[in-house]
Amino acid sequence: DAMVIQNPRYQVTQFGKPVTLSCSQTLNHNVMYWYQQKSSQAPKLLFHYYDKDFNNEADTPDNFQSRRPNTSFCFLDIRSPGLGDAAMYLCATSGLRLGGGAYEQYFGPGTRLTVT
Amino acid sequence: QKEVEQDPGPLSVPEGAIVSLNCTYSNSAFQYFMWYRQYSRKGPELLMYTYSSGNKEDGRFTAQVDKSSKYISLFIRDSQPSDSATYLCAMSAYVNTGFQKLVFGTGTRLLVSP
Repeated sequence: DAMVIQNPRYQVTQFGKPVTLSCSQTLNHNVMYWYQQKSSQAPKLLFHYYDKDFNNEADTPDNFQSRRPNTSFCFLDIRSPGLGDAAMYLCATSGLRLGGGAYEQYFGPGTRLTVT
Repeated sequence: QKEVEQDPGPLSVPEGAIVSLNCTYSNSAFQYFMWYRQYSRKGPELLMYTYSSGNKEDGRFTAQVDKSSKYISLFIRDSQPSDSATYLCAMSAYVNTGFQKLVFGTGTRLLVSP
């Protein structure tokens, strides 16, 4: 089945130790997104790619970086994780147009990051 | 004030009940309205989508949008234990080529007991 895959599903890192989360997709969608979802909070968009064009949300901390080496893969790098960065990180893609012009977003299962 | 408000629940109902889930929003520019369902340890999946105002029905699910009140609802008829999940509303004001910024609610956790 075509899908969005995230690895690892669970990641534990130490305070200040860089960590990389990965996302891959078999849907061949142009757009990939990274969201941060803290406990009992709404998913918050960090950034997105349209092909190789990177778009950062204005309030995304500089600590968060991303790479998209090809259509299928996208990485989220957290350079110096703090305790406040503990969250579920969701990767999504979009490409199928719905009626009225919207796009359906397809989400991966998420990576739960713990910072010790 | 958050752009999108949603009661986190949990909402507990017996099997067969009619469930009503709601969101309010403050941005009058929103015109794309979605409901995502998220099972435990899974990513959200699109359940219902409505463009602008009105109702949309799909099986046991009905989505309603009232733009004049800035209020959207999801109704689930004949609820089943398999409907137990977190339901997130999401909305958007615009669409660029391939990209759409969604603003999510916090999600309402629904528990349907047999």
